[in-house]
Amino acid sequence: QLQLQESGPGLVKPSETLSLTCTVSGGSISSSSYYWGWIRQPPGKGLEWIGSIYYSGSTYYNPSLKSRVTISVDTSKNQFSLKLSSVTAADTAVYYCARRMDVWGQGTTVTVSS
Amino acid sequence: DIVMTQTPLSSPVTLGQPASISCRSSQSLVHSDGNTYLSWLQQRPGQPPRLLIYKISNRFSGVPDRFSGSGAGTDFTLKISRVEAEDVGVYYCMQATQFPQTFGGGTKVEIK
Repeated sequence: QLQLQESGPGLVKPSETLSLTCTVSGGSISSSSYYWGWIRQPPGKGLEWIGSIYYSGSTYYNPSLKSRVTISVDTSKNQFSLKLSSVTAADTAVYYCARRMDVWGQGTTVTVSS
Repeated sequence: DIVMTQTPLSSPVTLGQPASISCRSSQSLVHSDGNTYLSWLQQRPGQPPRLLIYKISNRFSGVPDRFSGSGAGTDFTLKISRVEAEDVGVYYCMQATQFPQTFGGGTKVEIK
């Protein structure tokens, strides 16, 4: 059974870079049938797609975040990662990783505060 | 960006009664490959979202058959034939036809 687990710091200072990793277990991240993505949810609000990466290595980012976002894959570790630079309080959210929106991680809360 | 608009914002329902949620997109969700990438997700309180329906009307693995999706083009509907207590939560429509992928604002289903 495929499982995804987010990990990373729960507290990030303003202007710094948020870095999260999603570890995939029970399946290979290298499958050509799927893409992998990050989605976030600010407290009490709805869902926002951050970006996705395909098995080919192609990446697609939300234009509202594009200048600050990088998503990458480490096939040797069966992981993919999110980096979001120059964070502000508006980036405080629960961050989810997902496979093609059909399998989701439990989410990790990231707070941006000094 | 494609804007997804859900109605109603909140849906109080009696147990055992049906519920219906509408989702309208600002432009057609028909992809150049002929598919319509409209999905429905459920988010129970304190839980991550869970995929219920993909490509308008296909139930994802393990989803009870009381959930059904329909629609075409820009107008879509999620129906719960008989609401159960475990169906309480927020429901989101989502389009993956065009980047950026976008979500509706959510509809809260609660028990009367």
